Amino acid sequence: SQQGEEDPQALSIQEGENATMNCSYKTSINNLQWYRQNSGRGLVHLILIRSNEREKHSGRLRVTLDTSKKSSSLLITASRAADTASYFCATDARETSGSRLTFGEGTQLTVNP
Amino acid sequence: DAGVTQSPTHLIKTRGQHVTLRCSPISGHKSVSWYQQVLGQGPQFIFQYYEKEERGRGNFPDRFSARQFPNYSSELNVNALLLGDSALYLCASSLGPGVMNTEAFFGQGTRLTVV
Repeated sequence: SQQGEEDPQALSIQEGENATMNCSYKTSINNLQWYRQNSGRGLVHLILIRSNEREKHSGRLRVTLDTSKKSSSLLITASRAADTASYFCATDARETSGSRLTFGEGTQLTVNP
Repeated sequence: DAGVTQSPTHLIKTRGQHVTLRCSPISGHKSVSWYQQVLGQGPQFIFQYYEKEERGRGNFPDRFSARQFPNYSSELNVNALLLGDSALYLCASSLGPGVMNTEAFFGQGTRLTVV
């Protein structure tokens, strides 16, 4: 089964609104990464947050991490139609070395113009 | 600088055939990992290679194999293809397992269709 589980599975909003996606995981982690995927193409790296960090920003993106609850959230502010994509969280577990990422099922975000 | 490059972009094979997928990592990256993404699901880890050695293997049958070359590029081989092998195969490049908390960057993937 997947380590990460995104919630919701699908999200539809209007341009300009904020979008929040959540991710839960099961084991201890080194870090958690968020990716975007457009229409079955490659994954675009958005942001990495380390296990000792609680919040991180990158442009319109804000990621939080709560290791006590084993959860993370991705907030996209002032969304645009171009943000329409699938978003995945991926965890790098503490007990494995290197980049062996475990992905969730993803959240399909639709931003309506 | 070029990102992660994968070839071919699309491939159609018949059941029972063999396929080889190729990946070139970002310059300076020594680790390559392979993932399989079935339609509607998240990517699943297949292999990680670093310095030409296998550093990790996911829950995939022995029909799947890979190798890494001295220039850090990598090949994923799948034998005796099954219909269920139809998926997007993604290659990820990173600095390597000796460097903690580094990003993994993905290529555009190879779309494999088995008929």
